[in-house]
Amino acid sequence: DIQMTQSPSSLSASVGDRVTITCRASQGITSDLGWYQQKPGKAPKRLIYAASTLQSGVPSRFSGSGSGTEFTLTISSLHPEDFSTYYCLQYNTYPCSFGQGTKLESK
Amino acid sequence: EVQLLESGGGLVQPGGSLRLSCAASGFTFSGYDMTWVRQAPGKGLEWVSGISGSGDRTYYADSVKGRFTISRDNSKNTLYLQINSLRAEDTAVYYCAFPPESSFDYWGQGTLVTVSS
Repeated sequence: DIQMTQSPSSLSASVGDRVTITCRASQGITSDLGWYQQKPGKAPKRLIYAASTLQSGVPSRFSGSGSGTEFTLTISSLHPEDFSTYYCLQYNTYPCSFGQGTKLESK
Repeated sequence: EVQLLESGGGLVQPGGSLRLSCAASGFTFSGYDMTWVRQAPGKGLEWVSGISGSGDRTYYADSVKGRFTISRDNSKNTLYLQINSLRAEDTAVYYCAFPPESSFDYWGQGTLVTVSS
């Protein structure tokens, strides 16, 4: 099975900061990766799929990059509503697998 | 409007069983693979199971293989997850969702399964 290692597990930042979250796959997954945002008590919301394709309706300050085994989610300038938990998900090979999550908190 | 509405969660004793349902509307249900994802209290997301649009292909996480069965009734636009031999670690909110390879991103509101004596 493919393991997804996400880092950091937590991150403190301020409004306006540029933030980067990384996921590493235990084997190559081409570009079969999504990034999700989840707020407490809510279902996840996908931000990025196919590693770099912005989901419809998601602000352009979110971007994704990478292929193979290394992937990044970047928020170019943090907005107050971006403080949340983020997950990556590989869907190249069943079973699909999520990263452990990154909790983004306000500094 | 696409809607996914889960039901069937509740309190069950260890070793017990439940069948979760996900009623779908607003799209051609049989044309889409579907997925179950769960989240234990205070923990991260875990992909649980997936099924093809026709129901002929199913996939499971190792943690549930042999105990959980995913199925669908395309005539009723409903996705199911039969969960047997429940353990405390199966306590979670269970979400049905479009599969991650889809360009669409829709999730239900989730249904809580609590395994406790």
